[in-house]
Amino acid sequence: QKEVEQDPGPLSVPEGAIVSLNCTYSNSAFQYFMWYRQYSRKGPELLMYTYSSGNKEDGRFTAQVDKSSKYISLFIRDSQPSDSATYLCATRDSSGSARQLTFGSGTQLTVLP
Amino acid sequence: EAQVTQNPRYLITVTGKKLTVTCSQNMNHEYMSWYRQDPGLGLRQIYYSMNVEVTDKGDVPEGYKVSRKEKRNFPLILESPSPNQTSLYFCASAFRGGRTDTQYFGPGTRLTVL
Repeated sequence: QKEVEQDPGPLSVPEGAIVSLNCTYSNSAFQYFMWYRQYSRKGPELLMYTYSSGNKEDGRFTAQVDKSSKYISLFIRDSQPSDSATYLCATRDSSGSARQLTFGSGTQLTVLP
Repeated sequence: EAQVTQNPRYLITVTGKKLTVTCSQNMNHEYMSWYRQDPGLGLRQIYYSMNVEVTDKGDVPEGYKVSRKEKRNFPLILESPSPNQTSLYFCASAFRGGRTDTQYFGPGTRLTVL
């Protein structure tokens, strides 16, 4: 079983829709949770970062972590064609030696104009 | 411009022919890492380096070598490439003292081993 599971999609929505992207993880030691966005033919870039449980909002994007159910979500409001990309969740524990991230496999999102 | 550069961007080679993919960053980052990205498997870490002359294995290090002789460079070496190393490779860097979660990725190198 992978430590981080993510539905690969593809997911296609009309412009203006609310998008929900999700990951589940198995390691209860994971404390830090991230969402990276990867445009076609580009490297991933950090989009959202949260620590432990709770919500974090940045413009049209909201990241949500539920540690009790080991569930990570990214919500995109008023989605735009420029949001079309692959979204990867990532997580790590707080161990000082484990400075590496565990990534989900990514969800490909297309927002249709 | 702050960036991570990789060369080459595309490479087609044959089994057993040694190759090196270069990675360079101009942000004075201590931490550098190599990943491979395969469909359905996501990003998997190959090797990482916390500083000059300090490297460690990631999740999938077999068949790869790295070196960190200078802070800005972190080349990935495939001594004897095999077809199962056909993949999209990313180099990344980050500040060690800060959140290494904020990794800056290069544009990727698409490698095909025939």
